[in-house]
Amino acid sequence: DSGVTQTPKHLITATGQRVTLRCSPRSGDLSVYWYQQSLDQGLQFLIQYYNGEERAKGNILERFSAQQFPDLHSELNLSSLELGDSALYFCASSTLSGTVNTEAFFGQGTRLTVV
Amino acid sequence: AQSVAQPEDQVNVAEGNPLTVKCTYSVSGNPYLFWYVQYPNRGLQFLLKYITGDNLVKGSYGFEAEFNKSQTSFHLKKPSALVSDSALYFCAVLTDSWGKLQFGAGTQVVVTP
Repeated sequence: DSGVTQTPKHLITATGQRVTLRCSPRSGDLSVYWYQQSLDQGLQFLIQYYNGEERAKGNILERFSAQQFPDLHSELNLSSLELGDSALYFCASSTLSGTVNTEAFFGQGTRLTVV
Repeated sequence: AQSVAQPEDQVNVAEGNPLTVKCTYSVSGNPYLFWYVQYPNRGLQFLLKYITGDNLVKGSYGFEAEFNKSQTSFHLKKPSALVSDSALYFCAVLTDSWGKLQFGAGTQVVVTP
């Protein structure tokens, strides 16, 4: 168990809908990262938050947004869903940013299926 | 831009034989390299990392990796593979000081009894 909790584990929704994925980082971790894993794109970095502030953005669509709350949990919001958004969405957390000597710990992911 | 490549989609090995999963990197500056493993229906689990120091890095579950600067490689190895090592293995490189990772495409390892 990595200590990173993601809910829900599975989500099935229709095209055009909006969903929210939730992540609770390991206790004490200030950094939260979101990744998308799909068959055609592999593992892609979406966005990072550090202590409530956005730190880095990757290949995140404008229909997607995220935030990190004061208690450090994070939510990834996906709207106007398309079939191609079906993927496994991972959250990861790490203790410190600004240092290379830390590794990220991943949750078990949320499998999103858009029908 | 920092990147890693995993040239093999799949590696097949018999149980008890040595296992090697290949990774090459392309970075500007010092490379900070990681290996993660993904078991079916599970998240990614950290195996090991190379930051600096010894070129042979030891990690979890009996895995080790050899950093080779001249060949820009960071191959993952295990002396004697187990059926339970069957999983998807990812090499990754740190792309900034805030911990963002760039992953390779992954290598599926199949260990047969």
